[in-house]
Amino acid sequence: KNEVEQSPQNLTAQEGEFITINCSYSVGISALHWLQQHPGGGIVSLFMLSSGKKKHGRLIATINIQEKHSSLHITASHPRDSAVYICAVRVVSKIQGAQKLVFGQGTRLTINP
Amino acid sequence: EPEVTQTPSHQVTQMGQEVILRCVPISNHLYFYWYRQILGQKVEFLVSFYNNEISEKSEIFDDQFSVERPDGSNFTLKIRSTKLEDSAMYFCASSATLLTDTQYFGPGTRLTVL
Repeated sequence: KNEVEQSPQNLTAQEGEFITINCSYSVGISALHWLQQHPGGGIVSLFMLSSGKKKHGRLIATINIQEKHSSLHITASHPRDSAVYICAVRVVSKIQGAQKLVFGQGTRLTINP
Repeated sequence: EPEVTQTPSHQVTQMGQEVILRCVPISNHLYFYWYRQILGQKVEFLVSFYNNEISEKSEIFDDQFSVERPDGSNFTLKIRSTKLEDSAMYFCASSATLLTDTQYFGPGTRLTVL
């Protein structure tokens, strides 16, 4: 079983729709990251969360530590939001200075005009 | 805005050859990482590096791999004798602090082993 599971794997929507991508994890974490991977392969960090909710523009990320679940929401989606969205968790480690990230398989989002 | 850079963008090599992938992290960052992504698969952690030593490494990071910070700016990943299965995109990342800062990723180096 994967330590980080995302759903859905693929999502196609029309411009303007509200998008939700989910992430569940099974390990103890100190933080959760949402990343965006563009078609060319580059990875951009969107959010790092350890509790609650964060908002940046049209993007909102929430995390529920007790339920080991996080969601990424996109309001008023636009074709330029088309990308792979990746959830990654920072696993709690006894090693000082360690910050291992474990990644989900990604959600491929396509927004049609 | 400061960014992580990686060179080369694409490296083609023959099986058994040594390759060195180079990264220049953001200048005031202290924590450095290498990840890889085999085509069509998820990103995988390879190694983290702090204070001139490896702080954690994955099972993938065997004796064929090594990392080095040879000067104040570069952070390198060396693969001693490449295998076909080493073909992947390799991403370098850096962060300023351990717990409170996000990781900034470089654009990646696509390694193709023939």
